[in-house]
Amino acid sequence: SYELTQPLSVSVALGQTARITCGGNNIGSKNVHWYQQKPGQAPVLVIYGDSNRPSGIPERFSGSNSRNTATLTISRAQAGDEADYYCQVWDSSTVVFGGGTKLTVL
Amino acid sequence: QVQLVQSGAEVKKPGASVKVSCKASGYTFTNYGISWVRQAPGQGLEWMGWISAYNGNTNYAQKLQGRVTMTTDTSTSTAYMELRSLRSDDTAVYYCARGGYTTGADVWGQGTTVTVSS
Repeated sequence: SYELTQPLSVSVALGQTARITCGGNNIGSKNVHWYQQKPGQAPVLVIYGDSNRPSGIPERFSGSNSRNTATLTISRAQAGDEADYYCQVWDSSTVVFGGGTKLTVL
Repeated sequence: QVQLVQSGAEVKKPGASVKVSCKASGYTFTNYGISWVRQAPGQGLEWMGWISAYNGNTNYAQKLQGRVTMTTDTSTSTAYMELRSLRSDDTAVYYCARGGYTTGADVWGQGTTVTVSS
C-alpha cells in the first residue's frame, strides 16, 4: 500500500518560514492536499491540488509538489499557525494520510 | 452556509454496533462525495472510506472491510456510517467530510466521539 512520510515535528521562529515535507513514491504525479488541525478541532483544508488555497486561507500558506516530495510552506509564521498538519493523497481509489507533523512556533 | 452536522457521542460495549449520521446543508448533496475519517486519542487521521452521494458507490479501507457500511439518504441529505463488532481500539473521534479526488475534504463535520468500553 502507498505510504506518506512526514516529519514528526517542525519548529519555526515567529515571523519566519516553516516548511513541512510529505514524502511518497512519485508523489509528484498525485494531487496532494494539506490539512491543519488544532487541538480539539476538526481538520481544516489549507491547500488542495498541490498548491491551491481554499477561500479564507491566508496567502502565507503555499504548496508545491515534485518527484518524491510535496511541501507545505508557511511564510511569516504566526502563533496561531501552531497545529498538526497532515498531507493526503488518493491512491488506487483509497485515501492515504501522512502521519502528521506538529508545528511549533517559537 | 455549507455545513455538516454529526450525531452525538456514543458509548458502546465491545461487540456492539454504532451508526453515526452526518447531515449536510447549504449545498447540493448529490454533487459531492462524503469521506469518513477517524482519529484515535493522540493519534493521526485514519481514512475509513468514501461514498458517492450521487449514486451510492463506496470505497472502504481494507482494514475495515466487512465491518463498515456507508450509506446516504438523499431525501434528507444525510450520510451514515455504521461500524460493527466494535473493539476497544475503535474508540476514536469520527468525522465526516465533503470532497473528492481533486478538491480535498473541504468541509468537515464537528466530529462524533465513540467510546468502546466494557
